[in-house]
Amino acid sequence: DAGVTQSPTHLIKTRGQHVTLRCSPISGHKSVSWYQQVLGQGPQFIFQYYEKEERGRGNFPDRFSARQFPNYSSELNVNALLLGDSALYLCASSLFTTEAFFGQGTRLTVV
Amino acid sequence: GIQVEQSPPDLILQEGANSTLRCNFSDSVNNLQWFHQNPWGQLINLFYIPSGTKQNGRLSATTVATERYSLLYISSSQTTDSGVYFCAVGATGANNLFFGTGTRLTVIP
Repeated sequence: DAGVTQSPTHLIKTRGQHVTLRCSPISGHKSVSWYQQVLGQGPQFIFQYYEKEERGRGNFPDRFSARQFPNYSSELNVNALLLGDSALYLCASSLFTTEAFFGQGTRLTVV
Repeated sequence: GIQVEQSPPDLILQEGANSTLRCNFSDSVNNLQWFHQNPWGQLINLFYIPSGTKQNGRLSATTVATERYSLLYISSSQTTDSGVYFCAVGATGANNLFFGTGTRLTVIP
């Protein structure tokens, strides 16, 4: 069975640009959550979507947005990139508030 | 949000030694997970353990929810156990996980 898949795996962007990260959950999982992990810290919650509706939002600026599609895959969008947005972005898949399974992440570098 | 504290922050072990990692959290939880983050960044699920005790090979974990802590035991450590171990908790009625800052384990041969 396929696990959580994220694309791309690595990305380099310039300050001010926009980026879209993608996530496909485990088959049968309807919840997708996004996390940001900066170097040396634990992941921080950005968004959760369940059944295509936003169910939770972390303390991130409005430059961050997300959506979930009918097939439960999800996109995370970040506008007006800042150097501080450089991080590993992790997607998690779960049934709902149960055990979460993470993808391999997208490593974003903003230059 | 829930505060999660992990200790120790760093641990260096000789291969074959045993270790205990601790996770303290500040509020009641309905979800507690232990992860091992590999050098490429992937979080590997070790245990889903909101309460009780579980064992998987050389690893075991215990969560005492009423006292707000969890322990991860690693026995007969191997070099492949090296990496960062994270504890993450989910608050009752909430959907997101709060992570600790991790324990960096280095196992030397």
